[in-house]
Amino acid sequence: GENVEQHPSTLSVQEGDSAVIKCTYSDSASNYFPWYKQELGKRPQLIIDIRSNVGEKKDQRIAVTLNKTAKHFSLHITETQPEDSAVYFCAASISNFGNEKLTFGTGTRLTIIP
Amino acid sequence: NAGVTQTPKFQVLKTGQSMTLQCAQDMNHEYMSWYRQDPGMGLRLIHYSVGAGITDQGEVPNGYNVSRSTTEDFPLRLLSAAPSQTSVYFCASSSEYPDTQYFGPGTRLTVL
Repeated sequence: GENVEQHPSTLSVQEGDSAVIKCTYSDSASNYFPWYKQELGKRPQLIIDIRSNVGEKKDQRIAVTLNKTAKHFSLHITETQPEDSAVYFCAASISNFGNEKLTFGTGTRLTIIP
Repeated sequence: NAGVTQTPKFQVLKTGQSMTLQCAQDMNHEYMSWYRQDPGMGLRLIHYSVGAGITDQGEVPNGYNVSRSTTEDFPLRLLSAAPSQTSVYFCASSSEYPDTQYFGPGTRLTVL
């Protein structure tokens, strides 16, 4: 099955600086890569996703890049703010009939230092 | 819309007891899934369903059963609880796969 590795496990960033979280996946057939944010005591929520026919996607201060050849994708947060403090999870999926499984990374705890 | 709801929010069981975690969604989503979340291990898929009457195993299905008799409900049954099943359980749904997963608030389960 798919295996997703996520680094780093913890990340502290000065407010206003950028944060980068990286994930690698094992199955070259994976074609959907979402990122979820989970605030303390809350449920995970989708913040951005990318499909394998696109190399980069942006949404305001958040961007995701995908390198299919190297089988890795990254989350970039610019101009970080205190409300960005949370645990971030990457995930990968093969969207074939009969194989609708989303595999998550182990998470990155991001702390924004005021 | 209530979205995805889960009951109970907290539960303590003794080893060997059985129970059912309830999950319901009112968004007419076809795809529903159950995850468990353990410290340092992310979210791991237990079982999922692509529609009423159809279920399949995820990454960690042992010790859990599911059924999907309606589009709205997707209960998770623990057959004989073990301390290793102590975890936070999340139910999720989406209109199609792959697409945005909408998570429920979670159930914190402790097995003594």
